[in-house]
Amino acid sequence: AQTVTQSQPEMSVQEAETVTLSCTYDTSESNYYLFWYKQPPSRQMILVIRQEAYKQQNATENRFSVNFQKAAKSFSLKISDSQLGDTAMYFCAFMRSGGGADGLTFGKGTHLIIQP
Amino acid sequence: NAGVTQTPKFRILKIGQSMTLQCTQDMNHNYMYWYRQDPGMGLKLIYYSVGAGITDKGEVPNGYNVSRSTTEDFPLRLELAAPSQTSVYFCASSYGGSGNTIYFGEGSWLTVV
Repeated sequence: AQTVTQSQPEMSVQEAETVTLSCTYDTSESNYYLFWYKQPPSRQMILVIRQEAYKQQNATENRFSVNFQKAAKSFSLKISDSQLGDTAMYFCAFMRSGGGADGLTFGKGTHLIIQP
Repeated sequence: NAGVTQTPKFRILKIGQSMTLQCTQDMNHNYMYWYRQDPGMGLKLIYYSVGAGITDKGEVPNGYNVSRSTTEDFPLRLELAAPSQTSVYFCASSYGGSGNTIYFGEGSWLTVV
C-alpha cells in the first residue's frame, strides 16, 4: 500500500511571495503518477499539476511548479507570485501505474493562507 | 460542460436511515469513484468501478454499497446510517486509469444525527 505524507498542516505567506509545500510518499512501485490538488473553501477539488514518475523533468503550470526527487520520494509544490485566490487546502496524491483503477491516495493536506 | 454531477449537495439523516447519493458524468468516462473526506483529512476511497457492471471495494467500504448499471451513473447507497458516516462525499471519474486525470464532483455534505 502507498502512503502520502504532508508534514505542514498550515502555512501562511504574504501576497506575491513564493511558497513551497512539502510532500513525501512511500511506495514499492517503480512507475506511478503524482498530483497536487487544490481545494478552496467551496470544497471543489481542482487539479493543479501532474507529474509522471518516469519523467525526470519537473512539471510546471504557469506559477505552479514541482520539485520531484524520485530517489528521496519527495514531491514538493512551489507557488510563485502567490495570489489571494491561492488560499486553499492543497492535497498531494499518488496513483499507481498499470491501470490505476484504485484511484488516488491522498495526504492529509496543507492549509495555505495568502495574506494581503 | 456539466462534468461530474452529484445530488443532493446537503442532507441530514437520522441514525438507522438509508439513502442514496446520486452521481452522473457526461464525459463518457469508464472509471468512476466514490471518496469520503472527514474533517482535517484527505480523501479516502470507498468504492470504484472500471465500467458498467464492474465494481470493487476501496479503502473504507464498510456501510456502503454501489452499483454501475450504465457508464454515466454510479450511485452510492448508505444502509443503516451511523454518526461515523458524517462526512463530505465526492464522486469522481476518469478516462481509464494509469495517470489519467480524475475529475471530481462538487461534493455532498452528509450529517448523521
